[in-house]
Amino acid sequence: NAGVTQTPKFRILKIGQSMTLQCTQDMNHNYMYWYRQDPGMGLKLIYYSVGAGITDKGEVPNGYNVSRSTTEDFPLRLELAAPSQTSVYFCASSYSGTGTSVGGYTFGSGTRLTVV
Amino acid sequence: RKEVEQDPGPFNVPEGATVAFNCTYSNSASQSFFWYRQDCRKEPKLLMSVYSSGNEDGRFTAQLNRASQYISLLIRDSKLSDSATYLCVVNRGNAGNMLTFGGGTRLMVKP
Repeated sequence: NAGVTQTPKFRILKIGQSMTLQCTQDMNHNYMYWYRQDPGMGLKLIYYSVGAGITDKGEVPNGYNVSRSTTEDFPLRLELAAPSQTSVYFCASSYSGTGTSVGGYTFGSGTRLTVV
Repeated sequence: RKEVEQDPGPFNVPEGATVAFNCTYSNSASQSFFWYRQDCRKEPKLLMSVYSSGNEDGRFTAQLNRASQYISLLIRDSKLSDSATYLCVVNRGNAGNMLTFGGGTRLMVKP
């Protein structure tokens, strides 16, 4: 049982390049999320998905796109990379319950991205 | 006002000390509350959920005060391995199990 798997672990991009951060979970969770964490700062939500075929914007979606064609996969696409996108990106998934029955998130180990 | 506020610290304590972290949240519709632990350059990991009646897990005790919108975490008999950043986390009470993360409180336990 791998949990949430992110690839790559590290990447250096040049300004204007594009890339896709991969995220896969094997827990059959319906809910999946992408966060970014800048040094010394908290987690900010980029996009989330409540199920295959459904995605929605979080707090900081500009410069990113997502898709959710299967329950397992939730890739994050960066188009025209900018230095402001230098960050650590975490993918997470959770059980799709309601109220107090909902548990916390399971996170992937993160992708460290530097844009130069 | 931030949705979840924490003192960033750092809290520097000797081994064996008791240390307490506090957190306040602004969304009165929140229904689920958690403490996460994040080690340097690692992903956040769930430490414990927080229940209205208070709950304990070994050396860790969490309390929730819904009226004051206040959450606490108490660590007794601190170990060197407790050194980490502790994130206060609150759900938004809406669809999608959206969680809001505090900025974290850094704890450093010294020998």
